[in-house]
Amino acid sequence: GENVEQHPSTLSVQEGDSAVIKCTYSDSASNYFPWYKQELGKGPQLIIDIRSNVGEKKDQRIAVTLNKTAKHFSLHITETQPEDSAVYFCAATLGGNQFYFGTGTSLTVIP
Amino acid sequence: GAVVSQHPSRVICKSGTSVKIECRSLDFQATTMFWYRQFPKQSLMLMATSNEGSKATYEQGVEKDKFLINHASLTLSTLTVTSAHPEDSSFYICSARGEIGNTIYFGEGSWLTVV
Repeated sequence: GENVEQHPSTLSVQEGDSAVIKCTYSDSASNYFPWYKQELGKGPQLIIDIRSNVGEKKDQRIAVTLNKTAKHFSLHITETQPEDSAVYFCAATLGGNQFYFGTGTSLTVIP
Repeated sequence: GAVVSQHPSRVICKSGTSVKIECRSLDFQATTMFWYRQFPKQSLMLMATSNEGSKATYEQGVEKDKFLINHASLTLSTLTVTSAHPEDSSFYICSARGEIGNTIYFGEGSWLTVV
């Protein structure tokens, strides 16, 4: 089955700086890669996603890049704000029947 | 985006009793819903995949007789924890697959405390 690894497990950045979280996957057939933000005590919220036919996608301060050859994808958050502090999960799936989640990254934005 | 509602958000029950958690897709039909369990500071652990009108598919190690899943309609799936024990205390989260593409949306989660 698919194996998703996520790094780093914790990340602290100064407000205004950029944050980058990386994930690797093992199954080259995986074709959909969403990113979720989970605040304490709440369910994960989809923040951005990318499909295998696209190399990069951007939504305001958030961007995701995908390198299919190397089988890794990354979340980029620019101009970080304290409200960006949360746990972020990446995931990979083929066909949407089963999603494989990374182990999560706890991001802290220091004011 | 699509909305998935989960209820109750918090529940406390006595050891040995059963408790039901509901997961509803409010503005779309979800033929497939997923149930997860999450321990503090850990990732989501998939428990089972629920398909409307059929039996749920459980992940290895998950007791199907203890965690009863019913997906009776296109907008509702329920998870019943039977004969609950303190070790069942956890954060349970559902998700539903949207009608377009493979996008899944999560509920807000349910905190279960068994005393």
